[in-house]
Amino acid sequence: AQTVTQSQPEMSVQEAETVTLSCTYDTSESNYYLFWYKQPPSRQMILVIRQEAYKQQNATENRFSVNFQKAAKSFSLKISDSQLGDTAMYFCAFMGGSARQLTFGSGTQLTVLP
Amino acid sequence: DGGITQSPKYLFRKEGQNVTLSCEQNLNHDAMYWYRQDPGQGLRLIYYSQIVNDFQKGDIAEGYSVSREKKESFPLTVTSAQKNPTAFYLCASRARGANTEAFFGQGTRLTVV
Repeated sequence: AQTVTQSQPEMSVQEAETVTLSCTYDTSESNYYLFWYKQPPSRQMILVIRQEAYKQQNATENRFSVNFQKAAKSFSLKISDSQLGDTAMYFCAFMGGSARQLTFGSGTQLTVLP
Repeated sequence: DGGITQSPKYLFRKEGQNVTLSCEQNLNHDAMYWYRQDPGQGLRLIYYSQIVNDFQKGDIAEGYSVSREKKESFPLTVTSAQKNPTAFYLCASRARGANTEAFFGQGTRLTVV
């Protein structure tokens, strides 16, 4: 079974600054997918970014980028030019294996300060 | 509009009663998931289903049951055997394909009174 660990329960960042959220995972699978989801106060889950494990290039989506280190089983999210609307709970998620089980970490509550 | 709908948004249950949470999707997705969210514990997988008439237990299936009789629907029953059912429940669905994202409903807040 796979596990996903987010070791930062809470973080804060000043508006316009950059912040990095950490995520590590444990799996015996060789082919898998990683995701970052955002959950604002409305509690609606929103996909931020995804990464295929077989791709060495780090994924980017506008101000969001990842640092994927497959050997270290690390998948961090970098948010550049932080905005007040980025305030949310951020979840790292793993999907792999034939069963396609989607496993989430415990989340990091990010607060962007004005 | 395509999407995934959970109902009701808020649900109250008396101790000892079973209750069923609805999850419907019109996205033509094959896979569907139920998660429980508690403060500080993230999303924990209860059950998931890859195809109609088939489903698997997740990490915390005890006290819950599901059915998948139609592709569009994946209801979750919280039974009286679930000792601490008060939580926020999220349903999700995914299309066939390895890297497809999961789409989530807006959740149901269940409170035992």
